[in-house]
Amino acid sequence: GENVEQHPSTLSVQEGDSAVIKCTYSDSASNYFPWYKQELGKRPQLIIDIRSNVGEKKDQRIAVTLNKTAKHFSLHITETQPEDSAVYFCAAPAASGGYNKLIFGAGTRLAVHP
Amino acid sequence: GAGVSQSPSNKVTEKGKDVELRCDPISGHTALYWYRQRLGQGLEFLIYFQGNSAPDKSGLPSDRFSAERTGESVSTLTIQRTQQEDSAVYLCASSLGSVRGETQYFGPGTRLLVL
Repeated sequence: GENVEQHPSTLSVQEGDSAVIKCTYSDSASNYFPWYKQELGKRPQLIIDIRSNVGEKKDQRIAVTLNKTAKHFSLHITETQPEDSAVYFCAAPAASGGYNKLIFGAGTRLAVHP
Repeated sequence: GAGVSQSPSNKVTEKGKDVELRCDPISGHTALYWYRQRLGQGLEFLIYFQGNSAPDKSGLPSDRFSAERTGESVSTLTIQRTQQEDSAVYLCASSLGSVRGETQYFGPGTRLLVL
């Protein structure tokens, strides 16, 4: 069946360090991989996404890498700041059940300590 | 432009009562999704509407849960005979509905507490 696995479930770093969150997916036909950030009590918001025709995408301190052969993608945050503390969710398109449906990972709780 | 809106923002109800949660998607978005998020947990898919197609109800946890959508606009999620385990934040999202794999935009959610 389709699945998106996300690791680690929690991540604690010191301010200024880098943070990496990894996700694996099962459907080889998946073509779109978004990352959402959810701050405490707020809605999930898209922070970066990547399509399957590229291997890496950067936006200031955040980047996403995609390995289609291994079916995994990762979120990289450099020079972390306390405001990066949040829960991060990865997602990939569902193989069935709906053309636009996304399957979400279980989330990673990132804590950045000053 | 306006984002996804949901109402009410908070709802407190007694066990056994019915509740209705409303979602207004972004104008022009043909796809609409409902998720449930229990405290400290991930996004649990409930139901997905795509244009005039039959909705994907595969995530509804029981027959107490139902949802409707009027055309390509407002959607209502109804929970009948609420139970304490229904307490959660109910999130609605919408997307353009034009290609496989596209951004979903979330509403602020409705925080439901069943006493």
